[in-house]
Amino acid sequence: VQLLESGGGLVQPGGSLRLTCVASGFSFRHYAMTWVRQAPGKGLDWVSTISDRVGISYYADSVKGRFIISRDNSRNTLSLELNSLRVEDTATYYCAKVRSQDTDYGMDVWGQGTTVTVSS
Amino acid sequence: SYHLTQAPSVSVSPGQTARITCSGDAVPKKHVYWYQQKSGQAPVLVIYEDSKRPSGIPERFSGSSSGTMATLTISGAQVEDEGDFFCYSADRSGNQRVFGGGTKLTVL
Repeated sequence: VQLLESGGGLVQPGGSLRLTCVASGFSFRHYAMTWVRQAPGKGLDWVSTISDRVGISYYADSVKGRFIISRDNSRNTLSLELNSLRVEDTATYYCAKVRSQDTDYGMDVWGQGTTVTVSS
Repeated sequence: SYHLTQAPSVSVSPGQTARITCSGDAVPKKHVYWYQQKSGQAPVLVIYEDSKRPSGIPERFSGSSSGTMATLTISGAQVEDEGDFFCYSADRSGNQRVFGGGTKLTVL
């Protein structure tokens, strides 16, 4: 089971970025997926979760209206579109597999993360 | 918004029992998960659904929940158990998920 994130980088405040997570080693379409971020030296911060097939999604209040989570089950890919970025969005972003198709469950597999830096 | 509260740090000597707590109003209704994160690494699941241990996690790790508090217990803590521990759960509505602030475990 493996999750590989990409797409991080340096972006100016107000800019946009798209993160991608490619999954392998499990039946991607049958599991909910989650993005979690961690600012430098800080704790874990839940960002967004999406269900397995229907695509029901949930967002943290801090990113609601700015970030969009999506998935392509034909390509085993999870995405996170980051818009209207703020300095406080600077963090390592982790993709994580939920233990179930049910979004209420926690995560059991994590990627290694991709770093987003928002700075002018 | 929903919050899970953890003590910032716990320190024990090798072989002692370490207890890390996580409190939240929805804990009686929602499962709690525990993650260990070592410096520079991605988090690792050590306890799921309050008290279940994933394969590969040492038996000295256990979890419990009572009322509004969940507890991660490391019986006979070892130096290699050092790291940051985070609890994770959902609010009563199921619309928000949250991590506790994290507890830094020192074993020395």
